[in-house]
Amino acid sequence: DTEVTQTPKHLVMGMTNKKSLKCEQHMGHRAMYWYKQKAKKPPELMFVYSYEKLSINESVPSRFSPECPNSSLLNLHLHALQPEDSALYLCASSQAGRPKDYGYTFGSGTRLTVV
Amino acid sequence: DAKTTQPPSMDCAEGRAANLPCNHSTISGNEYVYWYRQIHSQGPQYIIHGLKNNETNEMASLIITEDRKSSTLILPHATLRDTAVYYCIVRVDTGGFKTIFGAGTRLFVKA
Repeated sequence: DTEVTQTPKHLVMGMTNKKSLKCEQHMGHRAMYWYKQKAKKPPELMFVYSYEKLSINESVPSRFSPECPNSSLLNLHLHALQPEDSALYLCASSQAGRPKDYGYTFGSGTRLTVV
Repeated sequence: DAKTTQPPSMDCAEGRAANLPCNHSTISGNEYVYWYRQIHSQGPQYIIHGLKNNETNEMASLIITEDRKSSTLILPHATLRDTAVYYCIVRVDTGGFKTIFGAGTRLFVKA
């Protein structure tokens, strides 16, 4: 299995809703990432998990809450989002031990619309 | 952080080689150059990476200048499916695993 699977593919949520995005990989990768991508812009790094521990938080608002329950799964919990949070949310994974030697494997993303 | 500079867009005829340049004049000695591409509405796809030597795989070739201040990604026989945004990235490694994307080059492969 050489894929990163993200669910759901599309999500519409209201500003008072709570929802979660899910990301799963079975490549034995121990580093996992969340990126946010607005239309016609490059992906922006949000969070990095290494060996199931949060290692980087790029000053992301607290309405985004990441979770890494095990080495294969990464969640992003969403609460009280704003319309400007509408974007494509991308998950990626990579080897963790020697970061300079490996590329990332990205999922296809969840397209989120906040209404 | 080493910064990269790429042309915003390029055209290439189908079947011809596509040569995508990237400047990274502030690159450090132990930083790798990575290339990714993103086809519309999909996640980015890793293409290739290198440190000093030229590299080749089934997708592309990477040519890095001797001073490491610039590199070129070569798609030897571009197809319509190679139309995408191509990102040149220098890996930042500051106690974590940061891959920061720049604006990239939008490559249009034309029939």
